Amino acid sequence: AQSVTQPDIHITVSEGASLELRCNYSYGATPYLFWYVQSPGQGLQLLLKYFSGDTLVQGIKGFEAEFKRSQSSFNLRKPSVHWSDAAEYFCAVGSRHAGKSTFGDGTTLTVKP
Amino acid sequence: EAGVAQSPRYKIIEKRQSVAFWCNPISGHATLYWYQQILGQGPKLLIQFQNNGVVDDSQLPKDRFSAERLKGVDSTLKIQPAKLEDSAVYLCASSLGGDRSSYEQYFGPGTRLTVT
Repeated sequence: AQSVTQPDIHITVSEGASLELRCNYSYGATPYLFWYVQSPGQGLQLLLKYFSGDTLVQGIKGFEAEFKRSQSSFNLRKPSVHWSDAAEYFCAVGSRHAGKSTFGDGTTLTVKP
Repeated sequence: EAGVAQSPRYKIIEKRQSVAFWCNPISGHATLYWYQQILGQGPKLLIQFQNNGVVDDSQLPKDRFSAERLKGVDSTLKIQPAKLEDSAVYLCASSLGGDRSSYEQYFGPGTRLTVT
């Protein structure tokens, strides 16, 4: 069965500082991997996705993520955080056969001025 | 392009009452998903439709939850009777379906259900 672990429940960074959110997955083969962002009262918005190929993927809003098969990880990074990035971030692993995604429990990002 | 629409946005009911949620996916999206998101947790898939057929409902509590997608477009999710533990945000998502590039899911704003 596929699963996702996001080890950090809550992270606080200063505006302008770099950010890394951790994601570890469990899947029997090469997975599809996603990062979503959820602002208060909003649905989830896709930030970026990995299907195959280049292990460093670029997304919207200046985010990137790196797929590391040996570590079963797909960490999200941003070089300089903006106050508007404060939100909840979800990592998800998708089944290649059924289009079904399993989500982690999320990491809440707080940005200090 | 219009996004995924959901209604109502908020609903408060008493336990043992029934409730229904509605979802209108993005036009042309064959796959529709209903998720339950309990506070502090990630979304959990309840049911997945491909057109008007069910692909996966393994985590749907079928004794109280039901869902349908008539004509392969709109969908409704019903809870009858509701329990306190059903308090959550119910998210609808849709995707094109088919090849891998269409596995991207687009989410609606959700319906926040409070059961008292």
